[in-house]
Formats: sequence, structure tokens, C-alpha cells
Amino acid sequence: EPEVTQTPSHQVTQMGQEVILRCVPISNHLYFYWYRQILGQKVEFLVSFYNNEISEKSEIFDDQFSVERPDGSNFTLKIRSTKLEDSAMYFCASRASTVTYEQYFGPGTRLTVT
Amino acid sequence: TQLLEQSPQFLSIQEGENLTVYCNSSSVFSSLQWYRQEPGEGPVLLVTVVTGGEVKKLKRLTFQFGDARKDSSLHITAAQPGDTGLYLCAGRDYKLSFGAGTTVTVRA
Repeated sequence: EPEVTQTPSHQVTQMGQEVILRCVPISNHLYFYWYRQILGQKVEFLVSFYNNEISEKSEIFDDQFSVERPDGSNFTLKIRSTKLEDSAMYFCASRASTVTYEQYFGPGTRLTVT
Repeated sequence: TQLLEQSPQFLSIQEGENLTVYCNSSSVFSSLQWYRQEPGEGPVLLVTVVTGGEVKKLKRLTFQFGDARKDSSLHITAAQPGDTGLYLCAGRDYKLSFGAGTTVTVRA
């Protein structure tokens, strides 16, 4: 069964460094998302991406964040200058089309900022 | 921001018992999804409900969407230890808004 994959599974970085989290959505899906989950808290929406552009973003997704679909398969989240409070699980999700509701999540990347 | 409240926060029952988890909001959602999440892993989709009053069954799990599409419930019949986990509801507008989850523990 097709699934969303994410790499790396765990990333440790120092405050102020740039990180890129990578996702391979399910093939032929059109909508892509990033969510984050701080330890012990709710899953929170960051950004949605469709047709090679951001369609919606939350207040969390400030100028330090960016997303890109550099080729036909990868979807990346970049944090330019990481802060301690960026430490969280980051989940990528994809959805097939406009007429489907289901979002399928990847296993997540645990980001630890020291 | 549309808030989803899940109750109870924690539920511990004996194997074989039934349980119900609730998901409530003051907002109307176009659809509502239930996920199960294991520690350190991503949410795994269980079901999507779309129509007010809709009932869906997945083996021993029964999901119901409220008539007004503001609330939902998950009922597990004859719970088993393998049902242990964090159950999340998520309402959809342009994004998913998640509840905080109900941690279910089924004791053998």
C-alpha cells in the first residue's frame, strides 16, 4: 500500500542552523501538508501546498519557514534559523485530490534543537 | 481557529468492555476524520465521515458523525489490548484541526 515517507527520522541541530526536512508524498497525490507536534501537545497545521504554491499557512509558518517541491516526488520543509522552540515532531501529509478528504501522514521527523 | 474538544482525556478499561470516545466542536466541519497515533509515530487514518448522521463501522469500531456535523463519537465494542493507543479526531475545513486526543488503555 502506498505510503508517505519522511527523512531523516531524527535530526539534531544547533540553534541558529538551517534544517531541511524531506518528504515523499504518495504518488499522484496533489495536495501536500506539513504539521508539527510539540511533545505532549496537539498536532498543529503549518502549511498546505497545491499546484506548486502555498495555498494556506498558519501563524506558526513565519518567514523562517519555507516549503518546496524541487522535483516530481519530494516535498521539503526548510527552517532557516532554528530556535529551541522549533523542537517537535514534524509530519508530512498528502491528499489525493480536490474531491477526496483523506490526508495520509508520514511517520514524522523528530527535530531536536540544542 | 476551530477548536475540537475530545473527552475523556484518558480511558482505562478491562479487555472485553466497551468504550466510547467523544469529539465536540462549536463549528461545522465539511468532514471529520479519526486517527490513531502510537508514541513517536505519525497519525494513522481510521475513517472519514462526511454526511451528518453518518455511521461507519470498521470491525469492532463504530464511528458516528452528528447530524449538525459538529460532533462525532467512536465506539469500540469488546475492546482488546491491541486497541490501546491515542485516538485523535480532526475536523477539516482547508486544513485539519486536531483534538488533543483520548489515550485509551485496554488491560488484559
